[in-house]
Amino acid sequence: NAGVMQNPRHLVRRRGQEARLRCSPMKGHSHVYWYRQLPEEGLKFMVYLQKENIIDESGMPKERFSAEFPKEGPSILRIQQVVRGDSAAYFCASSPPLQETQYFGPGTRLLVL
Amino acid sequence: AQSVTQLDSHVSVSEGTPVLLRCNYSSSYSPSLFWYVQHPNKGLQLLLKYTSAATLVKGINGFEAEFKKSETSFHLTKPSAHMSDAAEYFCVVSPQKITGGTSYGKLTFGQGTILTVHP
Repeated sequence: NAGVMQNPRHLVRRRGQEARLRCSPMKGHSHVYWYRQLPEEGLKFMVYLQKENIIDESGMPKERFSAEFPKEGPSILRIQQVVRGDSAAYFCASSPPLQETQYFGPGTRLLVL
Repeated sequence: AQSVTQLDSHVSVSEGTPVLLRCNYSSSYSPSLFWYVQHPNKGLQLLLKYTSAATLVKGINGFEAEFKKSETSFHLTKPSAHMSDAAEYFCVVSPQKITGGTSYGKLTFGQGTILTVHP
């Protein structure tokens, strides 16, 4: 059973460009979570999704950030018009229904120049 | 609401000596607690979890943690450190199950403790 997959592993963008981060959950997992890890900080929750539904987006910045988890395909975290402060590691986690343990992917490290 | 405090940002030990990473939590309910480890530029790996069964929890790689409700603590220990244990460790609390939902939602992370192991 493959683990949580994220791609790309590293992403470089210039200010003002768009960043798209992809996450494929473990097989059988219908819940996806996105977390952001800023330099020298712990992980902070961003958004929790189930298939075609956003359950909790209380950690998402109000502007430029969006997330989706379509019926088919990976979950996408999209950052529009990136700024240097968006540079961070973005981690995706997944879990099956009725289980609280979340399994993490390797992360996408975003660098904004 | 829940919160987690890791009492040490850095811990340094010699190989073969015991490891103690301290964690205190605050929660308005009986929480589930986890320890995750993150090696440099890697993802997070689950070490162990406490879910209201036995208060002493054994995890992978010889780590264990004890849940102490009276002290609101969940400290991580290992009897003998190995060089490969050098990493950052996160104490994590799970929220209460979402009413009517099928999952638990966001995890709350501590600030992390960087463990250094000297030869």
